[in-house]
Amino acid sequence: GAVVSQHPSWVICKSGTSVKIECRSLDFQATTMFWYRQFPKQSLMLMATSNEGSKATYEQGVEKDKFLINHASLTLSTLTVTSAHPEDSSFYICSASRERALGTYNEQFFGPGTRLTVL
Amino acid sequence: EDKVVQSPLSLVVHEGDTVTLNCSYEVTNFRSLLWYKQEKKAPTFLFMLTSSGIEKKSGRLSSILDKKELSSILNITATQTGDSAIYLCAVETSGSRLTFGEGTQLTVNP
Repeated sequence: GAVVSQHPSWVICKSGTSVKIECRSLDFQATTMFWYRQFPKQSLMLMATSNEGSKATYEQGVEKDKFLINHASLTLSTLTVTSAHPEDSSFYICSASRERALGTYNEQFFGPGTRLTVL
Repeated sequence: EDKVVQSPLSLVVHEGDTVTLNCSYEVTNFRSLLWYKQEKKAPTFLFMLTSSGIEKKSGRLSSILDKKELSSILNITATQTGDSAIYLCAVETSGSRLTFGEGTQLTVNP
């Protein structure tokens, strides 16, 4: 159980276009989803946290108008990179966590990632 | 600002060697420390540590947390080529936020 999928697994787009990445929890309801970005040879950097039905909370330095996050249901969150530029080329990974009892760890289950290349 | 630092950043060993990876942190509202293994794609979970001094073990891998020293180690004994990967340390704080370290790139040569 606890499988998270991402679609697409890779995408190449032209500069100035928008790209949407989907993150789905396949066999559980994800109360919270997280979006990370990983540049080559670097670690995962949290971009934003989203709870179903409410606005995402963005990390410092992440432009909310450029990286639009929608968490419309308990199994789906989307990240749209608007007006993508080459510097947005990166590996985007989502994770999902489910409601647990107070005091227990809300384990994050990671998706397989989406490699975005902007030409 | 929460900070997680891993060392070494890269390590090359021969099969059969034992390795120790380090992770130190400075965060507010610590909840747990996690270790992940990342190969080509997304990280896979190894351990979660919340209590100091209690070793978690899984096969040839083990890990322990020292909350006094704000650090953790991940040990891998009798390394195999399949252990080659990036090992990531992350600290969970309030709101289930994870702050990751830079990772240790481990290469195990036959």
